[in-house]
Amino acid sequence: KAGVTQTPRYLIKTRGQQVTLSCSPISGHRSVSWYQQTPGQGLQFLFEYFSETQRNKGNFPGRFSGRQFSNSRSEMNVSTLELGDSALYLCASSLGGPAFNSPLHFGNGTRLTVT
Amino acid sequence: GNSVTQMEGPVTLSEEAFLTINCTYTATGYPSLFWYVQYPGEGLQLLLKATKADDKGSNKGFEATYRKETTSFHLEKGSVQVSDSAVYFCALPIQGAQKLVFGQGTRLTINP
Repeated sequence: KAGVTQTPRYLIKTRGQQVTLSCSPISGHRSVSWYQQTPGQGLQFLFEYFSETQRNKGNFPGRFSGRQFSNSRSEMNVSTLELGDSALYLCASSLGGPAFNSPLHFGNGTRLTVT
Repeated sequence: GNSVTQMEGPVTLSEEAFLTINCTYTATGYPSLFWYVQYPGEGLQLLLKATKADDKGSNKGFEATYRKETTSFHLEKGSVQVSDSAVYFCALPIQGAQKLVFGQGTRLTINP
């Protein structure tokens, strides 16, 4: 069974630009979550989608958005990039049932550098 | 709200040494508890979990026991190997939400 696939692996963008990251979950997983990982703040939850609906959202500005498609693939978008957005963005998928009883499976991440 | 406090590193040990990484939590109720591991250049992998008090999760020689009396979930391994070098994260879910709160991570380096 293929794991969680994130593309691209690396991105370099300039301040003010926007970026779109993609995530393909494990087959059969309907929940996709996004996390930002930085040396200073650690792992922070961005948002979670289930069946194309955003179920949970973290404390990030509106420049961070996401969506999920009918095949469960997800994208996240960051507009008007700032230097502080440089981070490893991790996507995780799970079965996502009503109770938190299925572990998250993470992709290898997209390393975003903003210059 | 739910939170995790994790022993910060870095931790450097010699091969075959005993490992303990401390993790304490604050939570409503008794949520499942997790340890994730991140190898260089990779995402996080679930290492082990415990779903209720006094449960012991184990995998690859690592163990952690869910102790509600001390609100702890310390990670232990009796004899570490160079291949265990990685960053370890303790985590618990936010009640009612499909999201995890992570500790700050502990970087472990094992020297041969």
